[in-house]
Amino acid sequence: EPEVTQTPSHQVTQMGQEVILRCVPISNHLYFYWYRQILGQKVEFLVSFYNNEISEKSEIFDDQFSVERPDGSNFTLKIRSTKLEDSAMYFCASSDQRGEAFFGQGTRLTVV
Amino acid sequence: AQSVTQLDSQVPVFEEAPVELRCNYSSSVSVYLFWYVQYPNQGLQLLLKYLSGSTLVKGINGFEAEFNKSQTSFHLRKPSVHISDTAEYFCAVLNQAGTALIFGKGTTLSVSS
Repeated sequence: EPEVTQTPSHQVTQMGQEVILRCVPISNHLYFYWYRQILGQKVEFLVSFYNNEISEKSEIFDDQFSVERPDGSNFTLKIRSTKLEDSAMYFCASSDQRGEAFFGQGTRLTVV
Repeated sequence: AQSVTQLDSQVPVFEEAPVELRCNYSSSVSVYLFWYVQYPNQGLQLLLKYLSGSTLVKGINGFEAEFNKSQTSFHLRKPSVHISDTAEYFCAVLNQAGTALIFGKGTTLSVSS
């Protein structure tokens, strides 16, 4: 069964450093998403991406964040200068149409 | 903007008892609703969805949900729960533009023997 894969599963970084979270969406999907879940809290929408551009972003997705689809398979989330409050689980998702999204296992980002 | 309210943050139940997890959404002309489950240390898995048609939706693992337009609700039910159903359950609605799922705060279902 096709699935969304994310790497790494866990990333520890120092405050102020740049991190790149990687995702390989399901191959025939066209819509891609990043969500964030701070420990013990709800899943929060960050950004959606379609046709090589951002289709929507939340207020969380400020200038420190960027997304890219560098090739036909990867979808990345970059945080330029990490802050302690960026520590969270980051989920990538993809869908073949607007609606049902398939989620990856997540990357746990710990900023120290 | 679309929003989702999950009224219960924690629901403890005994094994084989029925359970209902409540979800209310903000009203809209058309609405697409979802329930996702998150097992400990795992990602989100789709349980079921309502896009149109029958208001009673059946999903995986014996769960079902009923779309009630007049009450703007989409409650999740299971007639008899198992220990393995212990997890976090999230209700979600597709936003108006169709570009993002908006999640509720989640309900922790704890099943004990």
